[in-house]
Amino acid sequence: DTAVSQTPKYLVTQMGNDKSIKCEQNLGHDTMYWYKQDSKKFLKIMFSYNNKELIINETVPNRFSPKSPDKAHLNLHINSLELGDSAVYFCASSQSDLYQETQYFGPGTRLLVL
Amino acid sequence: GQQVMQIPQYQHVQEGEDFTTYCNSSTTLSNIQWYKQRPGGHPVFLIQLVKSGEVKKQKRLTFQFGEAKKNSSLHITATQTTDVGTYFCAGSENYGQNFVFGPGTRLSVLP
Repeated sequence: DTAVSQTPKYLVTQMGNDKSIKCEQNLGHDTMYWYKQDSKKFLKIMFSYNNKELIINETVPNRFSPKSPDKAHLNLHINSLELGDSAVYFCASSQSDLYQETQYFGPGTRLLVL
Repeated sequence: GQQVMQIPQYQHVQEGEDFTTYCNSSTTLSNIQWYKQRPGGHPVFLIQLVKSGEVKKQKRLTFQFGEAKKNSSLHITATQTTDVGTYFCAGSENYGQNFVFGPGTRLSVLP
């Protein structure tokens, strides 16, 4: 059983296209995240949702729109893809108890924009 | 805003040598976590430190949280090839509501 799953694993697309990445967790966690890891391996948080509500929205272009249909899912839609969007996108989840914010990461989606 | 730095950026060691990575925050942290990411893999949680001066051990790994709760270290004794990967620290100022990740230390172990 995969705790945090993402689809697709790889995504190669042309500049200007719109694409979505899906994430699901079966851990019963109430918080989910999207991270972007660039070619230098910097891991930067993009969004955080707690009980389907957006709680963190870092400086991310509004071409990126997260959607959380329920606590177990957090999808990421990207409009008008640009070359600089090429990166690995990780979904993660955690349970927001005090001091128990261990984040479980999905396997990542490797996005390449041509 | 909060910044988390790590040194060194890269470390190459011979198998059997020790390794240490240091994490420094620009602000006082409530708690700090360490993650390991194998090449081609995803970050995996190692440990969380909460108390000032806390020291925790996991087999050959020793984690330390500074007295001022602004720095932390991870020490690996007698490295093995299975220790290869990037080690990230992630610090929070507000008990986990927002963790800021350091840039990571990439460890390679030569057999």
